[in-house]
Amino acid sequence: AQKVTQAQTEISVVEKEDVTLDCVYETRDTTYYLFWYKQPPSGELVFLIRRNSFDEQNEISGRYSWNFQKSTSSFNFTITASQVVDSAVYFCALRTLNNNDMRFGAGTRLTVKP
Amino acid sequence: EPEVTQTPSHQVTQMGQEVILRCVPISNHLYFYWYRQILGQKVEFLVSFYNNEISEKSEIFDDQFSVERPDGSNFTLKIRSTKLEDSAMYFCASNGGLGDTQYFGPGTRLTVL
Repeated sequence: AQKVTQAQTEISVVEKEDVTLDCVYETRDTTYYLFWYKQPPSGELVFLIRRNSFDEQNEISGRYSWNFQKSTSSFNFTITASQVVDSAVYFCALRTLNNNDMRFGAGTRLTVKP
Repeated sequence: EPEVTQTPSHQVTQMGQEVILRCVPISNHLYFYWYRQILGQKVEFLVSFYNNEISEKSEIFDDQFSVERPDGSNFTLKIRSTKLEDSAMYFCASNGGLGDTQYFGPGTRLTVL
């Protein structure tokens, strides 16, 4: 069975602080894909990143970085120097090679205050 | 940049009525999906569609739901007799191949009164 856990329901930070959103996943499949999506107040789901299970290299994109650790089944997301526009709900999701449906975590609501 | 589009953005209907939610996936994509998000909750998978047939469906996708690709571009979700608990945001998504990233449409907010 596939499962994604985002233990942090809500996080509030002040602008310019760094913040890490946690994601822990479960799957028996050896080939799988991990994703992060951002859902701003307008409601759409914006794709941020995808990671394949065989690629544990961490990634940095501007102020965003992702730490994928298979040993702990985690795929954490860090925003450096947060901005008010980062305020949104962030979802971690998992898909396996054999199942095309995405399993989403419950989401973490990030509020960045000025 | 190509994107998934959905219409309408907001649909209000009376309980028991039929609704059809429309999606236009990215043109060269082969796999299509519907997801549902009840307000304040997580995004839940409903159904996937490939090669003109349903490939997977969740337990949420019962007999009152159906999907169709009536022509080469549209992908629709029909709810035959809406219930209050069907009120949610419905997202369409598509991807080009197995394992590829799914791209989501902006969603249709369905309100059942």
